Amino acid sequence: AQSVTQLGSHVSVSEGALVLLRCNYSSSVPPYLFWYVQYPNQGLQLLLKYTSAATLVKGINGFEAEFKKSETSFHLTKPSAHMSDAAEYFCAFNAGGTSYGKLTFGQGTILTVHP
Amino acid sequence: GAVVSQHPSWVICKSGTSVKIECRSLDFQATTMFWYRQFPKQSLMLMATSNEGSKATYEQGVEKDKFLINHASLTLSTLTVTSAHPEDSSFYICSAPLGGETQYFGPGTRLLVL
Repeated sequence: AQSVTQLGSHVSVSEGALVLLRCNYSSSVPPYLFWYVQYPNQGLQLLLKYTSAATLVKGINGFEAEFKKSETSFHLTKPSAHMSDAAEYFCAFNAGGTSYGKLTFGQGTILTVHP
Repeated sequence: GAVVSQHPSWVICKSGTSVKIECRSLDFQATTMFWYRQFPKQSLMLMATSNEGSKATYEQGVEKDKFLINHASLTLSTLTVTSAHPEDSSFYICSAPLGGETQYFGPGTRLLVL
């Protein structure tokens, strides 16, 4: 069965520090992988996606993620955190095929940015 | 970018009543939309797939008679929570695909059943 695991329900960084949010997946088929951000009481906004093209994916707001098949990982990074990055981040998986469009979400990671 | 709206953004209702939530794709057409539920401090769980012109497909464990889905047009899907109970209180979010595998999410509807 396909699954997504986010390591760390809470991550706290200082403003200007590196942001690293971890995501590992389990899949028997080539995955489509996504990172979404959710601000309080709002829907989800797409940060970036991996769809079997380049393994290093750049997204909005300075975020990027690297797909590593050997490690079954898709970690999200940003070189320098900003206060506005404080939110909850979700890694999501789509297997394509008959489950096309259906997303399986990780547990979410709340990012806190300290001044 | 693609915009998906939901209405209402929040609703409070009495136990036993029904509540209808609308999901609209504002600048694109969607033959398929998805409904998710998010409990406090938890992740999103897919409830059902809404199909324009045909019956919705429900995920395992989701009661189709309780959560009625109607995909009335290429830009509108509705979720009706029938005979709502306090345990149905949650954050309901819809999504619609555009350009292949990418889902665009609505802002969510917070339901509180008293």
